[in-house]
Amino acid sequence: KQEVTQIPAALSVPEGENLVLNCSFTDSAIYNLQWFRQDPGKGLTSLLLIQSSQREQTSGRLNASLDKSSGRSTLYIAASQPGDSATYLCAVAGEADAGNMLTFGGGTRLMVKP
Amino acid sequence: NAGVTQTPKFQVLKTGQSMTLQCAQDMNHEYMSWYRQDPGMGLRLIHYSVGAGITDQGEVPNGYNVSRSTTEDFPLRLLSAAPSQTSVYFCASSYSRLSSYEQYFGPGTRLTVT
Repeated sequence: KQEVTQIPAALSVPEGENLVLNCSFTDSAIYNLQWFRQDPGKGLTSLLLIQSSQREQTSGRLNASLDKSSGRSTLYIAASQPGDSATYLCAVAGEADAGNMLTFGGGTRLMVKP
Repeated sequence: NAGVTQTPKFQVLKTGQSMTLQCAQDMNHEYMSWYRQDPGMGLRLIHYSVGAGITDQGEVPNGYNVSRSTTEDFPLRLLSAAPSQTSVYFCASSYSRLSSYEQYFGPGTRLTVT
C-alpha cells in the first residue's frame, strides 16, 4: 500500500526566505504527483502536477521536482511571502489508479512571518 | 466555468439521519471522486467514478453510497449518519486530456453528526 510522508509537519520562516518542502512515497510505481495548497477552512488548490516521466515543473515562484526512483519530491518556494502561509499537500496517483485515486501526505503547515 | 461545486457548505445531522451531499462539475471530466479529511488521518478516498453509470469503492466506503447518472453530477449519500462520519468532505474531478489526470477539488462540505 502506498504511503506518503511530508516533512516537516510545520514550518515557520521570515518573509523573503527560500524554502523547501519534502514529500516521500514508498511505491515508485506512480503515474503522477500533485502538489496542492489548502487555506484554513477551504478546499484544495492544485499548484503543480508532475508526470512520472518528468523531473520538474515550475509555476512562478514555485518549482517542484520528482525523483521517482528514490520516491521523493520537493516543492521549492522562492522569496516567500506572508500570502504563502497555508498547508501544502503532496499526493500521488499510482500507475493503476490514474484519475481515480490520490494518496495524500499529511501536509506541511507553513507560516511566513512579515 | 464554475469548476467543482459542492452543497451544502455546512450540515449538522443527528445520529441515524440520512442526507445527500451534492457535487457537480461543468468541465466535462470523466473521473469524479469523494474524499473525507480528518485531523491526523489526512484525505482518504471514499468512492470514485470513471464515467456515467460506473462507480467503485475507495479506501473508506462503509456507510456511504454513490451513483453517477450523468457526467456532471456525483452525489454522496449517507444512509444512517454516525458520529464517526463527522468530517470535511471533498469532491474532486479529473480528466484524461493529454493524459494528465490533474485533479480539481471542490470547496468542501463540513459535516457534524451529533
